[in-house]
Amino acid sequence: QSVLTQPPSASGTPGQRVTISCSGSSSNIESNTVTWYQQLPGTAPKLLIYPNNQRPSGVPDRFSGSKSGTSASLAISGLQSDDEADYYCAAWDDSLSGVVFGGGTKLTVL
Amino acid sequence: QVQLVESGGGVVQPGRSLRLSCAASGFTFASYGMHWVRQAPGKGLEWVAVIWFDGTNIYYVDSVKGRFTISRDNSKNTVYLQMNSLRAEDTAVYYCVRGYDIFDHWGQGTLVTVSS
Repeated sequence: QSVLTQPPSASGTPGQRVTISCSGSSSNIESNTVTWYQQLPGTAPKLLIYPNNQRPSGVPDRFSGSKSGTSASLAISGLQSDDEADYYCAAWDDSLSGVVFGGGTKLTVL
Repeated sequence: QVQLVESGGGVVQPGRSLRLSCAASGFTFASYGMHWVRQAPGKGLEWVAVIWFDGTNIYYVDSVKGRFTISRDNSKNTVYLQMNSLRAEDTAVYYCVRGYDIFDHWGQGTLVTVSS
């Protein structure tokens, strides 16, 4: 049972817009930085989104993030087949004095 | 470019110990916090431990407290994870990760298998 709650799966067709939610609490999402990671099959995770909707170099602006209160979300527009991956949210948790991850969302492009 | 290279994984019996190393290059190692994050086979990511840039602050996930020790040698640009009293549930790929609350660079991971 992860501290941050994500849907286990999501799907969409090419060109569609998909959102993935991440639900937490006042001790993590509400009070700290939320980041998103993409893990392609068989590879290490990579940073996708960080605060103020910033993206590392090379990450297309089709990917965007937002936060409101104790929840955050990742939006992917113009869905492409190579977006098929697992997506994770993460935040520091003040109560646990550690980082917490969501359980991950497996995105399928139909 | 930033590189993080883990080593030290392998197969170990329950109750035994293992030490992982992560060699960093391409950035000023002594200026960054470093984490270990693990991923059990077919499962999600689990944060394990963090050490501040100067080693003054260290935190662990509850499941490894008292068994694992994170440390660093800034003169060698290396972070370590000493794992004692290993259990089957510690079986995972262990990633070395740079950052504090933003994990901007990940190593390729090293597999630890705890099995008799």
